[in-house]
Amino acid sequence: GQSLEQPSEVTAVEGAIVQINCTYQTSGFYGLSWYQQHDGGAPTFLSYNGLDGLEETGRFSSFLSRSDSYGYLLLQELQMKDSASYFCAVSVSSGSARQLTFGSGTQLTVLP
Amino acid sequence: GAVVSQHPSRVICKSGTSVKIECRSLDFQATTMFWYRQFPKQSLMLMATSNEGSKATYEQGVEKDKFLINHASLTLSTLTVTSAHPEDSSFYICSARTNRPTAKNIQYFGAGTRLSVL
Repeated sequence: GQSLEQPSEVTAVEGAIVQINCTYQTSGFYGLSWYQQHDGGAPTFLSYNGLDGLEETGRFSSFLSRSDSYGYLLLQELQMKDSASYFCAVSVSSGSARQLTFGSGTQLTVLP
Repeated sequence: GAVVSQHPSRVICKSGTSVKIECRSLDFQATTMFWYRQFPKQSLMLMATSNEGSKATYEQGVEKDKFLINHASLTLSTLTVTSAHPEDSSFYICSARTNRPTAKNIQYFGAGTRLSVL
C-alpha cells in the first residue's frame, strides 16, 4: 500500500513564504503531485515532479527527492486567497491506469 | 486546461433511493476516469477506476454492487449510488486524465457532488 505524511495545519501571514512537506512510502512510484482545494470545491492541480529537483510555476514551487521519498510545496508571496487545503499525491501504477493516492491534506490559513 | 463537468452538484434524497452522478470530459477524451469520496476535513479516497468500454476496478472495501460505475463513452462516466443510506452521505468527486503527453500526469477534477441521504 501507500502512505503519505504531511502536516495537518500551517498558518502564515500575507506576503510570507510557506513550505509544506510531504513524505511518502509507496511502490510503483511515478511522481509526486500537489493539489489545492478550497472549502467545498474541486481539487485543482498545482504541480508535478517526476524527477528529482525543483519545479517552479509562478509563486508556487515543488521539490522532489526520490532517494529520500520526500517532497515539498513552496508558496511565496502568500495571499489571502491561498488559504485552502493542500494535498500531496503520489502517482502509482495500478494495472493499466496510473492512480493518485492523496495525503491527508494540509490546511493553510493566511492571516492579514 | 482540460475541463471536467460533474452533475448534479448537490443531491438530497430519501433513504433507499438510487442516485446517479455524471462526469463528463468536455474538451478531451478520457479513457480513464476516477471516482473519489471525501468526508469533511478529510482526504480524497479513491473508490474506483473507470475504464471506457470495460468494467471498473474497485478499491478494496468499496462495494461494486452498491456503487455502480458505467463508462460508456470516452467522455462520460456515471456513478450510481444504489439504495442510498445516510452513511453514504458524502462528497463524491470524479476526475479524468488526458492522453496528451504534456498533461499525462495531471488529473482534472469535477466540481464534486454533495450527497445528503435523509
